Amino acid sequence: DTAVSQTPKYLVTQMGNDKSIKCEQNLGHDTMYWYKQDSKKFLKIMFSYNNKELIINETVPNRFSPKSPDKAHLNLHINSLELGDSAVYFCASSPSGYEQETQYFGPGTRLLVL
Amino acid sequence: QKEVEQNSGPLSVPEGAIASLNCTYSDRGSQSFFWYRQYSGKSPELIMSIYSNGDKEDGRFTAQLNKASQYVSLLIRDSQPSDSATYLCAAAPNTDKLIFGTGTRLQVFP
Repeated sequence: DTAVSQTPKYLVTQMGNDKSIKCEQNLGHDTMYWYKQDSKKFLKIMFSYNNKELIINETVPNRFSPKSPDKAHLNLHINSLELGDSAVYFCASSPSGYEQETQYFGPGTRLLVL
Repeated sequence: QKEVEQNSGPLSVPEGAIASLNCTYSDRGSQSFFWYRQYSGKSPELIMSIYSNGDKEDGRFTAQLNKASQYVSLLIRDSQPSDSATYLCAAAPNTDKLIFGTGTRLQVFP
């Protein structure tokens, strides 16, 4: 069984479009995260939610809007896509968000904006 | 200044050798440190975590932490070609987020 899953795996779209990425975890974890990994492999936190509540909101353009309908799901909606949004987006989860916990990553969504 | 720094590599070692990966961090409040391995096109997976000064061993992997020097390292003994990947160092300040370095690419050649 997949622990942290994301859809879609690949996303190719035009500038200006709006797109969503979905994430689900079946680990029973309370905390979920969105990370962006750029072409230089730099992995940076964007958002985290604990039991549907927004905990971390890094300096991310407000075109990015996360939504957590329940603690097992964390979706990411991106409005007015730009070329610089091209990256791999990883969802992750951890049991309760405590700093010593392991974070488990999903397979990633490879976004290419043309 | 980057919060977690790593040499991007590639670090090339022969099969059977010891690979030494290094990482420095700037936030003295960081208490937890992690090494993740990421194969090309795949997601990061945890290799080791370390919270106290000194060494922590797990199989062929040894993590070393020196909080005074703000330095974390990962040693891989008896390196195998299957160890070839990017190794990401991460630090957790007193919050619930991880700060990642840019990763060191390791190449183990037969």
